[in-house]
Amino acid sequence: DQQVKQNSPSLSVQEGRISILNCDYTNSMFDYFLWYKKYPAEGPTFLISISSIKDKNEDGRFTVFLNKSAKHLSLHIVPSQPGDSAVYFCAASARRTGANSKLTFGKGITLSVRP
Amino acid sequence: DSGVTQTPKHLITATGQRVTLRCSPRSGDLSVYWYQQSLDQGLQFLIHYYNGEERAKGNILERFSAQQFPDLHSELNLSSLELGDSALYFCASSPGLTGWNGELFFGEGSRLTVL
Repeated sequence: DQQVKQNSPSLSVQEGRISILNCDYTNSMFDYFLWYKKYPAEGPTFLISISSIKDKNEDGRFTVFLNKSAKHLSLHIVPSQPGDSAVYFCAASARRTGANSKLTFGKGITLSVRP
Repeated sequence: DSGVTQTPKHLITATGQRVTLRCSPRSGDLSVYWYQQSLDQGLQFLIHYYNGEERAKGNILERFSAQQFPDLHSELNLSSLELGDSALYFCASSPGLTGWNGELFFGEGSRLTVL
């Protein structure tokens, strides 16, 4: 049972345009969400996170939006750069249950930014 | 460089065999996590250790076991290997348990191939 779903396996955008990566979750106990980026032959690296008490968190070119009623979050990258080409994983945890050490990851989205 | 070291980077073995994957966390980090990434799958949480004690268990098979030693390094033991155990095994570390923003520091992974 996939509790964190990234339904689009890939996304291709033009350099300078916006990249929107989507993520859906089914577990209503999830209250903390994260995005990780992974380059080939490297481990994932943390990108940005958001608590369920917020609906938006911004860090430079990266903004994460959370829609709790729809159980949906998205990562916006503006403007997209060729160096952003990577696999992006959405992850969630249920901190209020004390299970904050367990991150549930989606399958990832491969982003390609065309020069 | 995340500061997390995993060995070996690649391992090829036969069905029925046993292997040990090793992980050294970032200096000062007390928590170690193990994740498995199979083909076309997201990162599956296996187990979390904090300062030598098991804190959370995920979908870890009974054939798999792990431990964290007094020097904080961790080992993941995989026995009676099956073809389906072929995967990328990631170790990650974090400073502690509470007040944590969710950021895990991942190693580059150990790629296990079972023939």
